[in-house]
Amino acid sequence: DAGVTQSPTHLIKTRGQQVTLRCSPKSGHDTVSWYQQALGQGPQFIFQYYEEEERQRGNFPDRFSGHQFPNYSSELNVNALLLGDSALYLCASSLAGTAINQPQHFGDGTRLSIL
Amino acid sequence: SQKIEQNSEALNIQEGKTATLTCNYTNYSPAYLQWYRQDPGRGPVFLLLIRENEKEKRKERLKVTFDTTLKQSLFHITASQPADSATYLCALVPGSSNTGKLIFGQGTTLQVKP
Repeated sequence: DAGVTQSPTHLIKTRGQQVTLRCSPKSGHDTVSWYQQALGQGPQFIFQYYEEEERQRGNFPDRFSGHQFPNYSSELNVNALLLGDSALYLCASSLAGTAINQPQHFGDGTRLSIL
Repeated sequence: SQKIEQNSEALNIQEGKTATLTCNYTNYSPAYLQWYRQDPGRGPVFLLLIRENEKEKRKERLKVTFDTTLKQSLFHITASQPADSATYLCALVPGSSNTGKLIFGQGTTLQVKP
């Protein structure tokens, strides 16, 4: 039973560039959430996708956007990268309808470094 | 303002002792509170979930309590082992949420010495 997989594992970009991160949810899950985790901090919710629509969004600028595909996989796009975007980006999956009272399953993240 | 706080200082204990980690929150009415373990370079792994109407939950050597009056959750690891060394994150699901969005504390690092 494959868990949540994310790619790439590490990425180095420069300021002003754009980046796309990818996530495949755990088998049987249909909802994907993205979190940003700065060093020494807890994860912060970016947004959640369900049925190919953004269902809820955290306090992140429009430079952060996403997409969900019919197979439930998801992408996170960040434009005009800033030094402060350096972080571990985590994807979590769950099953809609049970999400509120079930744990989320996290991938091991993509470590994004901005130079 | 809304806050969820954990002890930012690392907790160092001797093998065999009980580790107790604290999670306090303000201006939230959580429906659920969850605890996760995170190892360096890895994603969080779910440990326990406790509902607002539950006082205590146990799983093997782990115990979580939830006091909605004090707005606090305590996480206990009994008979701790060096393998328990990790960062532990508490996360709440606001009562107003229908999506399961998690709001995390900053985590507490536990070091268990042999």
